[in-house]
Amino acid sequence: EDQVTQSPEALRLQEGESSSLNCSYTVSGLRGLFWYRQDPGKGPEFLFTLYSAGEEKEKERLKATLTKKESFLHITAPKPEDSATYLCAVQSTSGTYKYIFGTGTRLKVLA
Amino acid sequence: SAVISQKPSRDICQRGTSLTIQCQVDSQVTMMFWYRQQPGQSLTLIATANQGSEATYESGFVIDKFPISRPNLTFSTLTVSNMSPEDSSIYLCSVGTGGGDQPQHFGDGTRLSIL
Repeated sequence: EDQVTQSPEALRLQEGESSSLNCSYTVSGLRGLFWYRQDPGKGPEFLFTLYSAGEEKEKERLKATLTKKESFLHITAPKPEDSATYLCAVQSTSGTYKYIFGTGTRLKVLA
Repeated sequence: SAVISQKPSRDICQRGTSLTIQCQVDSQVTMMFWYRQQPGQSLTLIATANQGSEATYESGFVIDKFPISRPNLTFSTLTVSNMSPEDSSIYLCSVGTGGGDQPQHFGDGTRLSIL
């Protein structure tokens, strides 16, 4: 059964304190892995797509990496505005376009 | 990316009633999806809304409880029928604008509370 596990559930960082969020997945065949950011009262906002092991994507203070079993979202020198819930989703090659989401990591960056 | 509007943004309903949620996109899209996000839980796909044909439902979701319409390539509705407190959740519409492996984009959701 396809499954996504994110850790930690919650993370508090001081402004400027770099860290990483983890997304471990089990899928029969990976079509794509997606990272989203969700602010309170809003829908998920797309950040990155990763397709194959070894791939990396960057956007401002965020960098996403992918291995055959997990993905990391690295946050470098975070700012308070990076506070949000970060969601990971996988799509398998099973023939449907279904996403399997993790439960997310709630990130709080303190000034 | 496509602009997705959901209505209503929130509602409080009595048990036993039904509510229809609308999802409007500012451009034609190939795929539209409906998700549920319960407090502290991940997003769960309810169904894929197919234009011109019946929606494809995921395990645990049935058409009688969650009827879906998609009359064209820019609009879909989800009805939550005969509501109970367990249906209190956030309901989200998403769209796929490219190939199947392209990212989905989400509306801001409908926050539904059942008394």
